Amino acid sequence: SQQGEEDPQALSIQEGENATMNCSYKTSINNLQWYRQNSGRGLVHLILIRSNEREKHSGRLRVTLDTSKKSSSLLITASRAADTASYFCATSSGSARQLTFGSGTQLTVLP
Amino acid sequence: NAGVTQTPKFQVLKTGQSMTLQCAQDMNHNSMYWYRQDPGMGLRLIYYSASEGTTDKGEVPNGYNVSRLNKREFSLRLESAAPSQTSVYFCASSGGDSWGTQYFGPGTRLLVL
Repeated sequence: SQQGEEDPQALSIQEGENATMNCSYKTSINNLQWYRQNSGRGLVHLILIRSNEREKHSGRLRVTLDTSKKSSSLLITASRAADTASYFCATSSGSARQLTFGSGTQLTVLP
Repeated sequence: NAGVTQTPKFQVLKTGQSMTLQCAQDMNHNSMYWYRQDPGMGLRLIYYSASEGTTDKGEVPNGYNVSRLNKREFSLRLESAAPSQTSVYFCASSGGDSWGTQYFGPGTRLLVL
C-alpha cells in the first residue's frame, strides 16, 4: 500500500509560472522527502523535511509540512522547461528503515 | 564517483527463466534497497539491506530473492520469471541515517514474455 498520494496526478504550466503539488499521507512520520524523476531515469532527491519542521527552502523549491493535516506541498517557483519531470513524495515512519513512495505528479512546463 | 550503478539496463526474459539484477554503490553506504516501478505508480519496495549481512522483506517480496554480497553490492534474483514481474527495477542506497536521502541507480527495464 502507498503511504503518500500526490495531487494533482498531472500538471501543465507555462515557463515562468509557479507549480504547486501536494502530498497526503496516512500515518505519523519521521520525515517526508521529495524526489524528481526525469523520463527514463532514476529518482533524484530534492529536499527532506523532518516532522518537527514546518517549512524548508532550497533554491527555487519550497516545501511545507502540516502534520495535523498529514499533508505536504512542494512549490517550484519560476518554473523552467527543464523542470518537466515526475515528482514523488516519500515518507519514513516508525522504526522501519524504508521509504514509502506516492504515485507521483507529472509536471510539464511548456516553453 | 559513479554513485549507484545497475546492470543490465534492459532485459527480455521468457516466463520461467531466471536472472540476477546487479547493483553496486561506491559511496560507502550501509543501506541498500530494491524497488520496482510499474506504469503510473510510485516505487514499491521489494527488499532492503540495512547493513552488510542483513536483508529484510519490503512490500512486494514474493518471487524475488536478494544477496548482500558485500558493502558495495546488492543483487536481486528472479528464480522463475512471470509476466507480472515486467517492470522497471531501481536500486538505491543511503548512508548514515537509513531514513535519510536515498541515491538511485538508472534502473533496469525488464520485460517478461
